[in-house]
Amino acid sequence: GQQVMQIPQYQHVQEGEDFTTYCNSSTTLSNIQWYKQRPGGHPVFLIQLVKSGEVKKQKRLTFQFGEAKKNSSLHITATQTTDVGTYFCAGRATSGTYKYIFGTGTRLKVLA
Amino acid sequence: EAGVAQSPRYKIIEKRQSVAFWCNPISGHATLYWYQQILGQGPKLLIQFQNNGVVDDSQLPKDRFSAERLKGVDSTLKIQPAKLEDSAVYLCASSLEETEAFFGQGTRLTVV
Repeated sequence: GQQVMQIPQYQHVQEGEDFTTYCNSSTTLSNIQWYKQRPGGHPVFLIQLVKSGEVKKQKRLTFQFGEAKKNSSLHITATQTTDVGTYFCAGRATSGTYKYIFGTGTRLKVLA
Repeated sequence: EAGVAQSPRYKIIEKRQSVAFWCNPISGHATLYWYQQILGQGPKLLIQFQNNGVVDDSQLPKDRFSAERLKGVDSTLKIQPAKLEDSAVYLCASSLEETEAFFGQGTRLTVV
């Protein structure tokens, strides 16, 4: 079945450093979503990418969808302590029930 | 706008007992999801409803888990009998037309 993996699993950065998490699907996706989950909280939607090669920015966050629609990345510029949490991608299948499969997540810790 | 409501927030039960979780989605959201999130992992879709019909329940352990969404609004998820490995956070989410999902606070289940 479809699998969505993320790397790295954990990342510790100094405040002000950049951070990137990568999302890789075993199958082609119709679209991909990104969520952030704070410690003890629930996932909160960040963005959705639909088009091949699409790039979207939200302030210090940059999201990319690969040309083959099998991978995606989230880059945070100049991290802040408020960026702490786990970042999940969720890829939507192109067949079957078109359900979203969540990735394994990348836990970000920002050291002040 | 009110968010997704879930209850209870926490539940501790002994193995082989039964438990039920309740979810009230955002008003007007046709799609409702139940996810299981084991500590340190990404959310795993258990069942997805479109109105009161089941879209996907391929990962629902049907020998012990059941879910219903009567009248296409509220939903309940039941586990009977519970096993130790069912200890997890059970997240309910809802969305319009399978776009961004809004998650509830979740129910943390501990099976002892």
